[in-house]
Amino acid sequence: GESVGLHLPTLSVQEGDNSIINCAYSNSASDYFIWYKQESGKGPQFIIDIRSNMDKRQGQRVTVLLNKTVKHLSLQIAATQPGDSAVYFCAEISGSGTYKYIFGTGTRLKVLA
Amino acid sequence: DAGITQSPRHKVTETGTPVTLRCHQTENHRYMYWYRQDPGHGLRLIHYSYGVKDTDKGEVSDGYSVSRSKTEDFLLTLESATSSQTSVYFCAISDRPETQYFGPGTRLLVL
Repeated sequence: GESVGLHLPTLSVQEGDNSIINCAYSNSASDYFIWYKQESGKGPQFIIDIRSNMDKRQGQRVTVLLNKTVKHLSLQIAATQPGDSAVYFCAEISGSGTYKYIFGTGTRLKVLA
Repeated sequence: DAGITQSPRHKVTETGTPVTLRCHQTENHRYMYWYRQDPGHGLRLIHYSYGVKDTDKGEVSDGYSVSRSKTEDFLLTLESATSSQTSVYFCAISDRPETQYFGPGTRLLVL
C-alpha cells in the first residue's frame, strides 16, 4: 500500500523500454528465490521464482537472473508497460521442514508515458 | 488474490483493546501465514500454521496470538493493541512452503 512505498528506491523507465530491478540477498544458504509485484493498496503478487541451482529463468516478459557468487538477484521486465508500475521485491527462502523467509523492502517502478 | 479474503480490510481501534483479524481461503491449502508490512521493512512473519490446530511463531510474534480451527480460516489476535502494532497485515497461503500467495491486506490503525 501507499505507506509501504515511503522511502523506497525508485526506478523510472520510459514505456516500451526494458526495466532491471536488483536485489541483494543475505543468506548464501537460501535455495529458493521469488519476485513479487505489489500494486498500491493490494497484496503482493507472485511473478516468477528461481531455484539456487539455476542462473536464469524466463517467464512472460520477465527474466530472473541469479548470481550466487555475489548474492545478487535481478528481475528484467521487457517492453515495460504502464501496468507494470508497482513496488517489486524479492524473497529468499531457506531450510527444509522449517523454512525461513526473508523479504526485501522493494523498489518502486514508475513507467513514464 | 488466489481465493484469499481478509476481514476487516480497515480497522481503527484504541490502545489496550483486543483485535481479531480473519483470513479465509477457498484453496484448501495446508499452510497459512500472517505477516505485517511496515515502511523500511520487508514483510515480517508473525505466526504461521502448517495444519489445523498446528501453529508456530515467526520473528515478530510478541503481542500476537493465532488460531486455526478449520483449514480455511486463520485468525490473528492482538491481545491488547499498542500503537506499535499499527501496520498493514497480510495473510498468505501455500500448498508447498516455497511459494506463498497473499491476500489483499488489512490496514490497522491503533490510536
